[in-house]
Amino acid sequence: DQQVKQNSPSLSVQEGRISILNCDYTNSMFDYFLWYKKYPAEGPTFLISISSIKDKNEDGRFTVFLNKSAKHLSLHIVPSQPGDSAVYFCAAAYNNNDMRFGAGTRLTVKP
Amino acid sequence: GAGVSQTPSNKVTEKGKYVELRCDPISGHTALYWYRQSLGQGPEFLIYFQGTGAADDSGLPNDRFFAVRPEGSVSTLKIQRTERGDSAVYLCASSRDGNNSPLHFGNGTRLTVT
Repeated sequence: DQQVKQNSPSLSVQEGRISILNCDYTNSMFDYFLWYKKYPAEGPTFLISISSIKDKNEDGRFTVFLNKSAKHLSLHIVPSQPGDSAVYFCAAAYNNNDMRFGAGTRLTVKP
Repeated sequence: GAGVSQTPSNKVTEKGKYVELRCDPISGHTALYWYRQSLGQGPEFLIYFQGTGAADDSGLPNDRFFAVRPEGSVSTLKIQRTERGDSAVYLCASSRDGNNSPLHFGNGTRLTVT
């Protein structure tokens, strides 16, 4: 069952512009959400997280927004850089016991 | 390096054979996870250890899959009677305490069953 969905398999943006990656979830028990970044032949790397008690968390160029009523979260990258090109996975967990991942969105940032 | 280490990085085996995949978590991390990732998909949860015990093995697809973590550190994922459909990248991750802390992944073992 797909409890975490990333409906856009790919996204292309121009360097310097904003990248917005979206994620939807179905399980209202999830209370911890994360974004991971993955380069080829490497494991996913933790990027940023947000607890369900917050609606926004910011870390440098990366901001995660959580809309609990819509069961939706998004990752904003601004300004986007070519080095940000990677596959981004959204993940959600309840007590971290069983972290579920979306299928990923491939971001390409063009110089 | 202090990251999660997985060996081997690549494994090719024939259908029906037995394989073991090893994971060395980050020192001091009590929680350890195994995931499987197929092409074009996100990591799929297999099993989660808290210390030596399997706290949740609901993701193991069938009884051909088994994992152990006898001393609460290194873990081994064991697959019996491998099938071609088992081909995937097997990812291991660890976290500090399994209590809403980020998972740190290894680079995975690419398993190919011919």
